[in-house]
Amino acid sequence: DGGITQSPKYLFRKEGQNVTLSCEQNLNHDAMYWYRQDPGQGLRLIYYSQIVNDFQKGDIAEGYSVSREKKESFPLTVTSAQKNPTAFYLCASSEDRGTEAFFGQGTRLTVV
Amino acid sequence: GESVGLHLPTLSVQEGDNSIINCAYSNSASDYFIWYKQESGKGPQFIIDIRSNMDKRQGQRVTVLLNKTVKHLSLQIAATQPGDSAVYFCAENIAGANSKLTFGKGITLSVRP
Repeated sequence: DGGITQSPKYLFRKEGQNVTLSCEQNLNHDAMYWYRQDPGQGLRLIYYSQIVNDFQKGDIAEGYSVSREKKESFPLTVTSAQKNPTAFYLCASSEDRGTEAFFGQGTRLTVV
Repeated sequence: GESVGLHLPTLSVQEGDNSIINCAYSNSASDYFIWYKQESGKGPQFIIDIRSNMDKRQGQRVTVLLNKTVKHLSLQIAATQPGDSAVYFCAENIAGANSKLTFGKGITLSVRP
């Protein structure tokens, strides 16, 4: 089945540690996105990539980093510089910029 | 600030009634709009989309209306069912080289039995 897979579903991190969230898609989509969702809030864009080996900062990129070495993979690293990392993280992909985005099931990150 | 907003944070409707969820956007350059449904603990699911050259689009039990004059988008759900209970987001795409989807805060739809 085609789709987007995020792993893990739940993740716990100690303060001061970096952690990497996985996002893989087999839809052959060019564009991939990372969003952050806080309780009672909408989705805020962290980073997006429109093609392999290229990515742009979204609205809240500070404290995060990404890579796009392969078309199907777009991992997100939450660094220790992110002061409030506890949130629900959503990865999405689309055929092209400005078209329907398909979402993964999310990773819930908790800092302990 | 966000260019996409929603008028009401929650909406409660009786099962079987029609639901109307509204969304305002502020960027006249937006050329593509999507409604998503998100159930608790899951990723958003596509419901219906509309491009700026249209003012109405219908799907199964859902209709999206676009009024570019007042920058308003609405989602109508016919014969609302308990399974429709979720958070609904509108998203807009601003045309351009780095176009990306921008989401509103979301509205919770609660269906009373």
